[in-house]
Amino acid sequence: NAGVTQTPKFRILKIGQSMTLQCTQDMNHNYMYWYRQDPGMGLKLIYYSVGAGITDKGEVPNGYNVSRSTTEDFPLRLELAAPSQTSVYFCASSRDSQNEQFFGPGTRLTVL
Amino acid sequence: GENVEQHPSTLSVQEGDSAVIKCTYSDSASNYFPWYKQELGKGSQLIIDIRSNVGEKKDQRIAVTLNKTAKHFSLHITETQPEDSAVYFCAASIPRSSASKIIFGSGTRLSIRP
Repeated sequence: NAGVTQTPKFRILKIGQSMTLQCTQDMNHNYMYWYRQDPGMGLKLIYYSVGAGITDKGEVPNGYNVSRSTTEDFPLRLELAAPSQTSVYFCASSRDSQNEQFFGPGTRLTVL
Repeated sequence: GENVEQHPSTLSVQEGDSAVIKCTYSDSASNYFPWYKQELGKGSQLIIDIRSNVGEKKDQRIAVTLNKTAKHFSLHITETQPEDSAVYFCAASIPRSSASKIIFGSGTRLSIRP
């Protein structure tokens, strides 16, 4: 199993540009999550999904959108990139809410 | 609101000594408490977890204790080694009608001095 994979690893965007961060898991997990981690800070939940077709907001959803058309994929969309969205983004998945979350390697995004 | 506080934010210990990281949570309904280790440039990995019906759990050099009355839980690492240097995150899972919500602490940067 590859576990949780994320692409790209790094990206630099200009203000106002849009992009999609990809996340895929091959463990047949129902739950998937997107977090952002600012320098020296903990993880903040952006969005999560408890299964295909179901998504819900986390702590900091503004400026982001997600979709969950399949169990495996959970892309995160930034429509109008802002400098405040400069961060490292981690995707995670878990079998359910009471089991460990498996994390991807992260995407380092810089918005200039 | 719901939050998890984690202390200290940085911790430096001599190799071979013990390290303790403490977390408190606000929602008494929290029932699952995982600890994650994040090495430089990598995603987080679960190192140990504890459920609310258990007071203590141990796995080799790592142990976690839970005090539900006081709403705090702690990570204990004994006989620390250089590879223990990392950022550690605690978390608390709060059950909800639709899906549980997991809240992370702000992290502790642990450095092991040789």
